[in-house]
Amino acid sequence: GESVGLHLPTLSVQEGDNSIINCAYSNSASDYFIWYKQESGKGPQFIIDIRSNMDKRQGQRVTVLLNKTVKHLSLQIAATQPGDSAVYFCAENIYGNQGGKLIFGQGTELSVKP
Amino acid sequence: NAGVTQTPKFRVLKTGQSMTLLCAQDMNHEYMYWYRQDPGMGLRLIHYSVGEGTTAKGEVPDGYNVSRLKKQNFLLGLESAAPSQTSVYFCASSYPPGLGNQPQHFGDGTRLSIL
Repeated sequence: GESVGLHLPTLSVQEGDNSIINCAYSNSASDYFIWYKQESGKGPQFIIDIRSNMDKRQGQRVTVLLNKTVKHLSLQIAATQPGDSAVYFCAENIYGNQGGKLIFGQGTELSVKP
Repeated sequence: NAGVTQTPKFRVLKTGQSMTLLCAQDMNHEYMYWYRQDPGMGLRLIHYSVGEGTTAKGEVPDGYNVSRLKKQNFLLGLESAAPSQTSVYFCASSYPPGLGNQPQHFGDGTRLSIL
């Protein structure tokens, strides 16, 4: 019979607009968070990270916001470009413990319309 | 720098066959990891290593074995491949978490199909 796979959450934005990708993390003890970008046929690529002693960190065109109260992480991409089209994963870790193991979210697919 | 290199990139196996996936990193990282990624899902940790000669189980270790004989290499073995092991396998490496923010760096994956 036919199998039904999981469908990733999808975000579609117009080129030049800002994108916001959200992530709810699971472990209140997690204190290190990373955003990765994965293009088709490639491995995850590091974008930006943040420790729990911060609530905001900025990189080039990207900003990560952390709300520990509600266990929520977001990635903001300014002036989204077609090259930003990819699947974005958040990952959490209990810093310094458990062999540096990361727990990954399901991912969000970002589609940029020209 | 090549970063993290995985070989082979693609492989098709028959049920019951065995094979070894090779991961090599040139960043002098202590920690190495093997993940699998299935459609519509995030990465799940199979095994990891915190240093040469050490290995530990991750979230989904059954059916896999690993070895870390050299610091730069981390091998993933399938002794008797099963269709449920059809997946994309990613290797990653990092410095120890205690040395500041240390994200994992990934290879481009091995696409494995078990018939």
